[in-house]
Amino acid sequence: EPEVTQTPSHQVTQMGQEVILRCVPISNHLYFYWYRQILGQKVEFLVSFYNNEISEKSEIFDDQFSVERPDGSNFTLKIRSTKLEDSAMYFCASSVGLIFYGYTFGSGTRLTVV
Amino acid sequence: AQTVTQSQPEMSVQEAETVTLSCTYDTSENNYYLFWYKQPPSRQMILVIRQEAYKQQNATENRFSVNFQKAAKSFSLKISDSQLGDTAMYFCALGVGQAGTALIFGKGTTLSVSS
Repeated sequence: EPEVTQTPSHQVTQMGQEVILRCVPISNHLYFYWYRQILGQKVEFLVSFYNNEISEKSEIFDDQFSVERPDGSNFTLKIRSTKLEDSAMYFCASSVGLIFYGYTFGSGTRLTVV
Repeated sequence: AQTVTQSQPEMSVQEAETVTLSCTYDTSENNYYLFWYKQPPSRQMILVIRQEAYKQQNATENRFSVNFQKAAKSFSLKISDSQLGDTAMYFCALGVGQAGTALIFGKGTTLSVSS
């Protein structure tokens, strides 16, 4: 069964450093998403991406965040200057289109900011 | 604004028994979809079951079924013949409108299945 692949599985970074989280969505999917889950809390939407541009973003997705699809397969989330409160599990997801089919999530990247 | 509420932070059940997880939601839209996702200790989010709001018939996937009460805005998940592998966090989620919009998640219910 097709999977959404995320790398790395765990990343530790110093406060103020830039990090790039990588995702390979399912190849025939058209919509891509980033969600985050602070430990023990609910899953929060960050951003959705379609046709090489952001289609929707949440209040969390401020100027320190950016997304990019640098080639035909990768989808990245960049955090420019990490803060302690950015420590969380970050999930990439993709969908074929209609909401009915749901979203396929990756296994997540655990980001720890120290 | 759309909201999803899961009022049971934790539940436990014995193997082979049946358990029901509760979820209520709020939206003013008529076109929406509801989902249950499972997050085992491996942390991956796995789609368990989905329901279209305009379908009255409750969705069923093997041992998993839902009780969708549209007027009450309630969407509970029933797990029959519980198995140890069902131990996980379960999230209820709401998707409204067009493709590409955000899924709104509840806070989750941690289910523990014991032998």
